[in-house]
Amino acid sequence: AQSVTQPDARVTVSEGASLQLRCKYSYSATPYLFWYVQYPRQGLQMLLKYYSGDPVVQGVNGFEAEFSKSDSSFHLRKASVHWSDSAVYFCAVSATNYAQGLTFGLGTRVSVFP
Amino acid sequence: EAAVTQSPRNKVAVTGGKVTLSCNQTNNHNNMYWYRQDTGHGLRLIHYSYGAGSTEKGDIPDGYKASRPSQENFSLILELATPSQTSVYFCASGDLGGSETLYFGSGTRLTVL
Repeated sequence: AQSVTQPDARVTVSEGASLQLRCKYSYSATPYLFWYVQYPRQGLQMLLKYYSGDPVVQGVNGFEAEFSKSDSSFHLRKASVHWSDSAVYFCAVSATNYAQGLTFGLGTRVSVFP
Repeated sequence: EAAVTQSPRNKVAVTGGKVTLSCNQTNNHNNMYWYRQDTGHGLRLIHYSYGAGSTEKGDIPDGYKASRPSQENFSLILELATPSQTSVYFCASGDLGGSETLYFGSGTRLTVL
């Protein structure tokens, strides 16, 4: 079965600093990979997704992620964070049966301080 | 923009009572999902549906039923609510399941006393 590991439960960064959130996945074939963000008291919103092609994929609000097949990773990055980036970030992988949607990691809570 | 609306936003129920959580999507998506979100567990799939009239068990279906009477509506039913079902529940919809974007509602916070 597929699985996602986000090793960092919490990350604290200063405004203007760079951010990297780690994600490792386990999947039997080539997966669809996603990053979602959850702002306080809201549902999840997709930041970006990857399936094939250029291993660096651009998303919304200046986020990008890099896929590594050899490392089974899909790390999220942002060059310069803003206080409004404070949220919980989820890495997700498609279920083997696509109709079952996504399998999510536990999430990383990001706090941006001024 | 895809829209998924959940109701109620908050619900307090008593142990043993029946609870129905409702979800409506206006995007004509085939697939709909119910997840629950708990600290330490992330989001876990309870039930999903391929389309009107279909419901399928997800990873943690025990204690829950689902109903998909139409393309737009997908309900989650707790026939005999228990305190362990206290959680935040999210509904989502998508056209191609795990290969495309899922659109989430804002969640229902359920407390079972």
